[in-house]
Amino acid sequence: NAGVMQNPRHLVRRRGQEARLRCSPMKGHSHVYWYRQLPEEGLKFMVYLQKENIIDESGMPKERFSAEFPKEGPSILRIQQVVRGDSAAYFCASSPNSIGAAAGPDTGELFFGEGSRLTVL
Amino acid sequence: AQRVTQPEKLLSVFKGAPVELKCNYSYSGSPELFWYVQYSRQRLQLLLRHISRESIKGFTADLNKGETSFHLKKPFAQEEDSAMYYCAGAVRFSSGSARQLTFGSGTQLTVLP
Repeated sequence: NAGVMQNPRHLVRRRGQEARLRCSPMKGHSHVYWYRQLPEEGLKFMVYLQKENIIDESGMPKERFSAEFPKEGPSILRIQQVVRGDSAAYFCASSPNSIGAAAGPDTGELFFGEGSRLTVL
Repeated sequence: AQRVTQPEKLLSVFKGAPVELKCNYSYSGSPELFWYVQYSRQRLQLLLRHISRESIKGFTADLNKGETSFHLKKPFAQEEDSAMYYCAGAVRFSSGSARQLTFGSGTQLTVLP
C-alpha cells in the first residue's frame, strides 16, 4: 500500500492562474480531507469528502476554492485566480470507512500525504 | 470554537533529559485528543491517542480535564525523537462517521547529543 499520494509536490503559479492539487487516498479508504498549512501556523481543516460528495466544507474559503472526489480518480483541490496569500502547503489525508465497517476498528487516525507546496509569484 | 494551543514553537533538550511538550485545548463537550509527529523528510503520522492510554516510543500523554491539557512526556529523550510534534483535537462531523481534526501550531523538538 503506497499510502496517500499527492501531486504535484511543488507547484509554482503566477497571480491569477489556476492551481490544481491531486490526492489519491490509501487503498480501501473512502474519506478524504484537505488541510492547509500557512507559514508558521498549524494545519487548518478545509474540506472533508467522500466519493462524489462533499460532507463538510466549513474550512474552505467561500470564493475561488473548490474540491471534488469523483467516483473514479483522485480527489482534486482547485484554486482559481490564485493570490500570494494562497502560498502554503496543502495536505491531504484519508481514513478508512466508518465504524462497524469491515475495514477495521475506528481509531480516528488520519493518514497523511506528503503535501503539495504551492508558491504564488 | 475548537482550539488547540501549543505554546512552545521550539524546544531543545539534551539526550537523556526528560521532555514535556505542552498542549492545551478548548472544546465544548468531550474531544478526542491525539499527538501527531513529523520526522524530517517524512509525512505526518499518528503518535498516540488519549483514548488508548498507550505508550509509544516511550512517549505518554495524559488527558487532564481540569487543566484542559494533554501534554506529551518522555522521561529520557533520544536524538531520534527530534521532530515536529502536533497536538490535535477531534470532534465528529454531524454525519457521525469521521472526525474533524483541529491541529495546534506545532512544537519543533530538538534533542541535543
